[in-house]
Amino acid sequence: AQTVTQSQPEMSVQEAETVTLSCTYDTSESDYYLFWYKQPPSRQMILVIRQEAYKQQNATENRFSVNFQKAAKSFSLKISDSQLGDAAMYFCAYRSIPNQGGSEKLVFGKGTKLTVNP
Amino acid sequence: NAGVTQTPKFRVLKTGQSMTLLCAQDMNHEYMYWYRQDPGMGLRLIHYSVGEGTTAKGEVPDGYNVSRLKKQNFLLGLESAAPSQTSVYFCASSETAGFKKLFFGSGTQLSVL
Repeated sequence: AQTVTQSQPEMSVQEAETVTLSCTYDTSESDYYLFWYKQPPSRQMILVIRQEAYKQQNATENRFSVNFQKAAKSFSLKISDSQLGDAAMYFCAYRSIPNQGGSEKLVFGKGTKLTVNP
Repeated sequence: NAGVTQTPKFRVLKTGQSMTLLCAQDMNHEYMYWYRQDPGMGLRLIHYSVGEGTTAKGEVPDGYNVSRLKKQNFLLGLESAAPSQTSVYFCASSETAGFKKLFFGSGTQLSVL
């Protein structure tokens, strides 16, 4: 079974600085998808960024980018120019591809709470 | 578009009582999921459905039942609530599998006394 590990329960960053949240996963599958979701205090889950494992190029979305290291099974999220609105819980998630025989599941890590200091 | 709507938003139950949580989506999505979120545990999958009339067990299915009689609705039932089921429950839907993002409801805070 796939597992997702976020080793940093809490992180903090100064406004305008850069922070990197780590995520590692365990899988025997060769192709899959990876996601970062944000959960602000409103509790709403918001997709931040996603990566297809067969693509070597790291995904970017404005101030958010990932460092995807497939061999190391690592998928870290970098937030540049941090803003107060970035304060939230961040969840890393792994999703199998059903047509490869994997069951349809989206597995989440336990989350990292990010605090942004003014 | 309302997206994914969960009802109720809050509920307090006594041990042994039953209840049903309703999830409704208006995006014609095939896939729907029920997760529970507990402090320090992230989101754990309870049950999911890949289409109308189908359901499957997730990581933590014990004590819960689900039904997907209509494509737009996914019901989560607790037949005999236990304090261990105190949690925030999230419903989510997705157009298909794979790279499609999940759309989440706003959650249901359930307390079992």
